[in-house]
Amino acid sequence: SYVLTQPPSVSVAPGQTARITCGGNNIGSKGVHWYQQKPGQAPVLVVYDDSDRPSGIPERFSGSNSGNTAPLTISRVEADDEADYYCQVWDTGNNHPVFGGGTKLTVL
Amino acid sequence: QVQLVESGGGVVQPGRSLRLSCAASGFIFSDYAMYWVRQAPGKGLEWVAIISDDGNDKSYADSVKGRFTISRDNSKKTLNLQMNSLRPEDTAVYYCAWLRSNRRSNWFDPWGQGALVTVSS
Repeated sequence: SYVLTQPPSVSVAPGQTARITCGGNNIGSKGVHWYQQKPGQAPVLVVYDDSDRPSGIPERFSGSNSGNTAPLTISRVEADDEADYYCQVWDTGNNHPVFGGGTKLTVL
Repeated sequence: QVQLVESGGGVVQPGRSLRLSCAASGFIFSDYAMYWVRQAPGKGLEWVAIISDDGNDKSYADSVKGRFTISRDNSKKTLNLQMNSLRPEDTAVYYCAWLRSNRRSNWFDPWGQGALVTVSS
């Protein structure tokens, strides 16, 4: 089955740019989606289909996808961005979702 | 506004049963497939079960196959998960989620607030 790899943690100072990667074999051929999850809360979609943002998500959140890596970039990081971030793709072979292991973003 | 509200979580002994429900509003429930996704304490996200828009097609993760049953009542806009023969490793927050799609992929938006299921003696 398809495997997604994320770094366990990323740290960034306020106002700087955070980059969270999602790796997978030829992931550039798949649509990648990103969820933000704060402690005790449900996941919230922040980017879908590689780079689209749902209504209400700040432009500071952006995504891209090429080759074997799909990064989520958060510009001008704020304290409120501190959360776990999960990437997800659709495994067309099994016709089910695949989630990355999650990355804890710490705002220093 | 789309809203998904789970209910039915709680503490249950190993081997016993529990039924979760998810009440949907704000969209045409009967037009969409729905998922249950769970998250064990301190762990990542794991899909559990999917049901088609009309309820005729269902699929389960290997970890719950034969023990869990997903169902829906489109007239009541409700999604259900019957969990039998529960094990300690089923302890998790269970989310219902709306499956969104385009020609290229599928994703979840929104998710319910979650229902905590604790399996412990």
